[in-house]
Amino acid sequence: AQTVTQSQPEMSVQEAETVTLSCTYDTSESDYYLFWYKQPPSRQMILVIRQEAYKQQNATENRFSVNFQKAAKSFSLKISDSQLGDAAMYFCAYRSAEIQGAQKLVFGQGTRLTINP
Amino acid sequence: GAVVSQHPSRVICKSGTSVKIECRSLDFQATTMFWYRQFPKKSLMLMATSNEGSKATYEQGVEKDKFLINHASLTLSTLTVTSAHPEDSSFYICSASSGLAGNTIYFGEGSWLTVV
Repeated sequence: AQTVTQSQPEMSVQEAETVTLSCTYDTSESDYYLFWYKQPPSRQMILVIRQEAYKQQNATENRFSVNFQKAAKSFSLKISDSQLGDAAMYFCAYRSAEIQGAQKLVFGQGTRLTINP
Repeated sequence: GAVVSQHPSRVICKSGTSVKIECRSLDFQATTMFWYRQFPKKSLMLMATSNEGSKATYEQGVEKDKFLINHASLTLSTLTVTSAHPEDSSFYICSASSGLAGNTIYFGEGSWLTVV
C-alpha cells in the first residue's frame, strides 16, 4: 500500500519570504500523480499543484512550485513571496495512475503553515 | 470549473437517530465518489469509495452497517450515519471523480455533524 509522510506538523514564515514544505511517499508503482492541497479555515480542499510522475519537469503554478525527486520519492512544495492568504493546512497526496490502481487519494498528515506579518 | 456540492453544511442530530449527507456533482458525471472523515487538526481519513450502481468499498475499520453509502446515480452519492452517537461527531467530506486516473478529484465543501 502507498503511504505519504509529511514530517513537519507546523511551519511558519515571514510575509514575502519563501517557505518549503516537505513530503515523502512510498510506492511500488511507476505511474502515479502527486498533489498538494490547501485547506484554509473554511475547510474547503483547494488543489494547489499537481505533478505527473512520468514528467521530469517540476510543476509550477505562479508562486507555487514543486521539487519532484522520483528516485528519492520526495515531493516538496515551495511557496515564494508568501502572502497572508497562504496560511492554511497543506496536504500532500498520492494517486495511482495505473489502470488497475486504486483511484483514491492517499493523504499525508498535513503541515499547518502560519504567515507572520 | 467542475463543482461538487455537499449538503447540509452543518447538521445537529440527537443520539440514536440517523442523518443523511448528500454529495452532488453539478457539471460532470461522477462515476466514483469518495467519503472522508476528518478529525480536528488531523488529515482526511478515507471511509469508503463508491462506484455508481455498485456497492461501496469500505476501508478497514469502517463499519459499513453504520455508515451507509449509496451511489444510485452519476451525480449523487449519499452517506447515512445510522444510530448516531456523540463519537460520530466530525467533519465529513466527499469528493468526486469522472473515473479516469488523470482526471482531477473535486471536493465538496464538507459537512459538520454534531450528535447531541
